[in-house]
Amino acid sequence: EVQLVESGGGLVQPGGSLRLSCAASGFTFGSYWMSWVRQAPGKGLEWVANINQDGSEKYYVDSVKGRFTISRDNAKNSLFLQMNSLRAEDTAVYYCARDMLWSRTFDYWGQGTLVTVSS
Amino acid sequence: DIQMTQSPSSLSASVGDRVTITCRASQGISNYLAWFQQKPGKAPKSLIYAASSLQSGVPSKFSGSGSGTDFTLTISSLQPEDFATYYCQQYNSYPLTFGGGTEVEIK
Repeated sequence: EVQLVESGGGLVQPGGSLRLSCAASGFTFGSYWMSWVRQAPGKGLEWVANINQDGSEKYYVDSVKGRFTISRDNAKNSLFLQMNSLRAEDTAVYYCARDMLWSRTFDYWGQGTLVTVSS
Repeated sequence: DIQMTQSPSSLSASVGDRVTITCRASQGISNYLAWFQQKPGKAPKSLIYAASSLQSGVPSKFSGSGSGTDFTLTISSLQPEDFATYYCQQYNSYPLTFGGGTEVEIK
């Protein structure tokens, strides 16, 4: 069974940093692109970033470029999102999602971790 | 960026109703369109990819159609477990973008 479990969310001050993790199991992690998708409270879904199988390709939404970094450790079946210079508008539930093979949409999602940026 | 516009933003329907949700892309995206269902406090669930292909395990009461810029999601006979918010997503080009969502409520 595919499982994605996020962790690392919490309360952080504006300008601060946070590192999210996603532990994957139930599939060959190193064979899939992976993504982060976020959802601000009461709002819709927003794709944040994705990364290819070996970490050599990464894409970001403009609003996080230069502040967020996606990475992965295939030996530990883990996906990460390093978030720096956090802003109030980054407050959201962050979901880890598996990209479908040969496709940039998502077939499995984690339960999400809440990031709150506030003083 | 490709803008995805869903309509309506919300609808009220009864159990047994046939429901159709529309998603329009600001430019052609071929069939690179997916649909997701999200219930309150839960993660999204993948329903359809490639505009009309059902994800494994998704019941056949869900169907998708369209190509280019106009797409629809249809629920053939609404059941209590189908009351949720539905999102479309284009994956033709970066940044990947979602529609604003359609909330399906009980009438």
